[in-house]
Amino acid sequence: KAGVTQTPRYLIKTRGQQVTLSCSPISGHRSVSWYQQTPGQGLQFLFEYFSETQRNKGNFPGRFSGRQFSNSRSEMNVSTLELGDSALYLCASSPPSNYGYTFGSGTRLTVV
Amino acid sequence: SQQGEEDPQALSIQEGENATMNCSYKTSINNLQWYRQNSGRGLVHLILIRSNEREKHSGRLRVTLDTSKKSSSLLITASRAADTASYFCATDAPGFQKLVFGTGTRLLVSP
Repeated sequence: KAGVTQTPRYLIKTRGQQVTLSCSPISGHRSVSWYQQTPGQGLQFLFEYFSETQRNKGNFPGRFSGRQFSNSRSEMNVSTLELGDSALYLCASSPPSNYGYTFGSGTRLTVV
Repeated sequence: SQQGEEDPQALSIQEGENATMNCSYKTSINNLQWYRQNSGRGLVHLILIRSNEREKHSGRLRVTLDTSKKSSSLLITASRAADTASYFCATDAPGFQKLVFGTGTRLLVSP
């Protein structure tokens, strides 16, 4: 079966712009989570969605937002980009029973 | 920070040797998971151990969990060059629907 698909794979944006990243989970997985990975802070939880509802949110500013659609696909948006937002953004999906998460290959965002 | 700690930060061994990585965490957990990451790509789920389990095996992987010490270890036996990667532990705590990752161990296996 298809894995978790993240698009785009790479992005270069300018400070002050906004960006939208997309994640398609494994078919049947209703939970989608987002993580940010940077060399300095490591892997940090952004938010988690289940059946179009945000169930949990990490300690990130309001510039970071997300949503989930009825087909479980999810998007995250970062507005007013800052240099420090440069990171690998990872999406993960999990089935109803907790057997671990399947991660996508990530979107590498570079803010210049 | 809730982030877990892993040690060593980096480990360099020869093919055929065993590699052991340790993870410590801070809160009560539902389960602890180990992931592998190659060269900044996505994370690959390796193994999950539940809070009521003490040891688990999967192929060349052996994971132990000590909830009284809030620690876990991952043993990779008979390592191969293809095992070269970063390894992360992650805890899944009750009611939070999120993973808290450790700082990671960079493993280099030389032929």
